Amino acid sequence: EAGVVQSPRYKIIEKKQPVAFWCNPISGHNTLYWYRQNLGQGPELLIRYENEEAVDDSQLPKDRFSAERLKGVDSTLKIQPAELGDSAVYLCASSLDLRRYEQYFGPGTRLTVT
Amino acid sequence: QKEVEQNSGPLSVPEGAIASLNCTYSDRGSQSFFWYRQYSGKSPELIMSIYSNGDKEDGRFTAQLNKASQYVSLLIRDSQPSDSATYLCAVNRDDKIIFGKGTRLHILP
Repeated sequence: EAGVVQSPRYKIIEKKQPVAFWCNPISGHNTLYWYRQNLGQGPELLIRYENEEAVDDSQLPKDRFSAERLKGVDSTLKIQPAELGDSAVYLCASSLDLRRYEQYFGPGTRLTVT
Repeated sequence: QKEVEQNSGPLSVPEGAIASLNCTYSDRGSQSFFWYRQYSGKSPELIMSIYSNGDKEDGRFTAQLNKASQYVSLLIRDSQPSDSATYLCAVNRDDKIIFGKGTRLHILP
């Protein structure tokens, strides 16, 4: 069974530029999560989807971040414009559904904003 | 009080010994508890889940939960150098999972 797929793995951009991350969850997993992880910290939830519906986006900085999961499968997280403080690892995870909290993570995208 | 607290370490344990990792949480309503292992530069990997008081064993790993004390721990028996990693404790609050900052574990050959 294929795991969670993310791309790109690494991204270096200048501040004020846009950036997008893509995630394809494990087949059959209805719930998809985007996390941000800073060095020395645990992952922090940005947004959580159940199928195509964003059921929790309270931690998403909506002035510059957006996300979509149009067909309830793969998802895109966008930052526009990026700021220096956005440098982090962006992790995508999936689980079977909202009541199954066992989450499986993709390899992450390491973003560096210069 | 932080929602999920872990000692950041590093915790150094000789090879072959038992490594004991601890975690406390603040929400008495939490029902689901997880341990993730994260190697440097890699993403978290789920290694244990526990839902009821007591011990749960899986190979060399044992998770222990005490809801009255709001305490969950992970024991690693016969520690190996490959166990050197950061271990993240995660606890559900409402419908989301809250992660601790992790404990760095270093197994000394």
